[in-house]
Amino acid sequence: AQSVTQLDSQVPVFEEAPVELRCNYSSSVSVYLFWYVQYPNQGLQLLLKYLSGSTLVKGINGFEAEFNKSQTSFHLRKPSVHISDTAEYFCAVTDNYGQNFVFGPGTRLSVLP
Amino acid sequence: NAGVTQTPKFRILKIGQSMTLQCTQDMNHNYMYWYRQDPGMGLKLIYYSVGAGITDKGEVPNGYNVSRSTTEDFPLRLELAAPSQTSVYFCASSPSYEQYFGPGTRLTVT
Repeated sequence: AQSVTQLDSQVPVFEEAPVELRCNYSSSVSVYLFWYVQYPNQGLQLLLKYLSGSTLVKGINGFEAEFNKSQTSFHLRKPSVHISDTAEYFCAVTDNYGQNFVFGPGTRLSVLP
Repeated sequence: NAGVTQTPKFRILKIGQSMTLQCTQDMNHNYMYWYRQDPGMGLKLIYYSVGAGITDKGEVPNGYNVSRSTTEDFPLRLELAAPSQTSVYFCASSPSYEQYFGPGTRLTVT
């Protein structure tokens, strides 16, 4: 069975500072990895995905993530955050085409002025 | 192109009542999903469908039922509502891997 761990439930950071949100997964097979963002009172929106190929993945809004198979991690980074990045971020994994998605518990990013 | 739409946005149910949460997508996606989101718990998969006429249970299916008679629609039925079903419910659709989410339905059972 797969699982996803997001080590930080809350991350406060000042505006224009860099941020890293951590995600670790466990799976016995090859995986596909995703980061989603949820703004208050909205559904989830895809930030970026890793399916295959380059381990450094770039997404929307200046975010990027790096897939590290040996450490089973898929950490999300942004070099300079904005107030508008304040949201909940979810890491997700699947090992099967279109089925069996598992989401992490989420990390609440708060960007402070 | 509306994407994934869900109705209603909010609902309060009494214990033992039943209701159907509606979900429609206009992107011709084969895959559709129902999740519930509880505070601090992330999303839990209730049911999913890989195409019209095909549905399967997810992680937390008890107390729910689904049907998929068309590609566009994937309603979620709650029978005999219980306080434990108080949650925010999200419907999603997918052409392959990435999922597109609806705005959610906030359900309270009292």
